[in-house]
Amino acid sequence: EAGVAQSPRYKIIEKRQSVAFWCNPISGHATLYWYQQILGQGPKLLIQFQNNGVVDDSQLPKDRFSAERLKGVDSTLKIQPAKLEDSAVYLCASSLNRGPSSGANVLTFGAGSRLTVL
Amino acid sequence: AQSVSQHNHHVILSEAASLELGCNYSYGGTVNLFWYVQYPGQHLQLLLKYFSGDPLVKGIKGFEAEFIKSKFSFNLRKPSVQWSDTAEYFCAVKGPGGYNKLIFGAGTRLAVHP
Repeated sequence: EAGVAQSPRYKIIEKRQSVAFWCNPISGHATLYWYQQILGQGPKLLIQFQNNGVVDDSQLPKDRFSAERLKGVDSTLKIQPAKLEDSAVYLCASSLNRGPSSGANVLTFGAGSRLTVL
Repeated sequence: AQSVSQHNHHVILSEAASLELGCNYSYGGTVNLFWYVQYPGQHLQLLLKYFSGDPLVKGIKGFEAEFIKSKFSFNLRKPSVQWSDTAEYFCAVKGPGGYNKLIFGAGTRLAVHP
């Protein structure tokens, strides 16, 4: 099966500029996640969608970050305006999510989008 | 709030040495536990998982992990590492609830020298 697709792979912008990342999950996966991975740290969940609804955005800096998942398939994460501390890899993941202890609850990750803010 | 601690940030081993990476989590209820691996230049991949049953879980490439509920631990082991095991390893935990939120540890960077 095709994996989780993300673009662009790399992006360099200056602070206060805007940037958008795109993710296409595995076909049929109801749940989509955006994680932020800062160098030297583990991935941190920014936002989680179940179909096209948000189920967790508690760690999303909503003054500058936004995300949408129209039609419950692909998703876009936007940062506007960017700050230096937003330099990170933005990971998209998806899962089937058919129940709390189902084997389908394994997350599959994309290759990530590396953002450098100068 | 749930948290995950990985004790070693960097580990350096010679080939054929044994490996054990520590992972402790903070949540006391029913959890699902995972180890993910990120090889150089590649994306995060699932190494193994624990949902229920036998606390000794076997994964790909000869890795295994043991869930010890009383110690809130899920340590990763491999009896004999290879140069190709050089990677970053992340422990992750999912607590209760139906929305599958994973909390990751900070990761352990493993370097295996020939």
